[in-house]
Amino acid sequence: AQSVSQHNHHVILSEAASLELGCNYSYGGTVNLFWYVQYPGQHLQLLLKYFSGDPLVKGIKGFEAEFIKSKFSFNLRKPSVQWSDTAEYFCAVNARSGGGADGLTFGKGTHLIIQP
Amino acid sequence: KAGVTQTPRYLIKTRGQQVTLSCSPISGHRSVSWYQQTPGQGLQFLFEYFSETQRNKGNFPGRFSGRQFSNSRSEMNVSTLELGDSALYLCASSPGQGEGYTFGSGTRLTVV
Repeated sequence: AQSVSQHNHHVILSEAASLELGCNYSYGGTVNLFWYVQYPGQHLQLLLKYFSGDPLVKGIKGFEAEFIKSKFSFNLRKPSVQWSDTAEYFCAVNARSGGGADGLTFGKGTHLIIQP
Repeated sequence: KAGVTQTPRYLIKTRGQQVTLSCSPISGHRSVSWYQQTPGQGLQFLFEYFSETQRNKGNFPGRFSGRQFSNSRSEMNVSTLELGDSALYLCASSPGQGEGYTFGSGTRLTVV
């Protein structure tokens, strides 16, 4: 079974700072990778996903993530954060099997607070 | 296009009762999966349905069950409720297995 580790449970940054949230997974096979965001009082929204191809993927709201297969990592980055980026961020993977894939395995989440 | 709709939004049940939660996926999506979110355990996968068949199941007791109908709508049932079942239950739909998932707002279940 796969597992996902998010290194930082709480991150506090000032506006305009750069952001990098770490995510590592353990699984020996092929995976799909996702970052989801949960703004206060709102439902989970997909930020970006990686299935195959270019390991640098761009998502919504200026976020990007890089898949490094050799490190089993899929770190989320944003060059300059805004107060509105305050939210909970979840890394998730699902293992590809046969013609489909297993359900999503989520990391514990990173609570990001942006100070004005 | 309408998103994933979960009903009801809130539910309070007594220990020992059973509960059924409903999920209507995005039109055209054939895969529906369910997750439990709690402060302690985070987001945990319950099960996934594709074309009315359960394709995958997470590590939950048999009290948790589900089904998917021919119109792709899905229901989740929890029998003999325990206090520890209090959680936000999330449904997600996708066009096919393993593709991008869109989540609903969830049903918050409180067991007293």
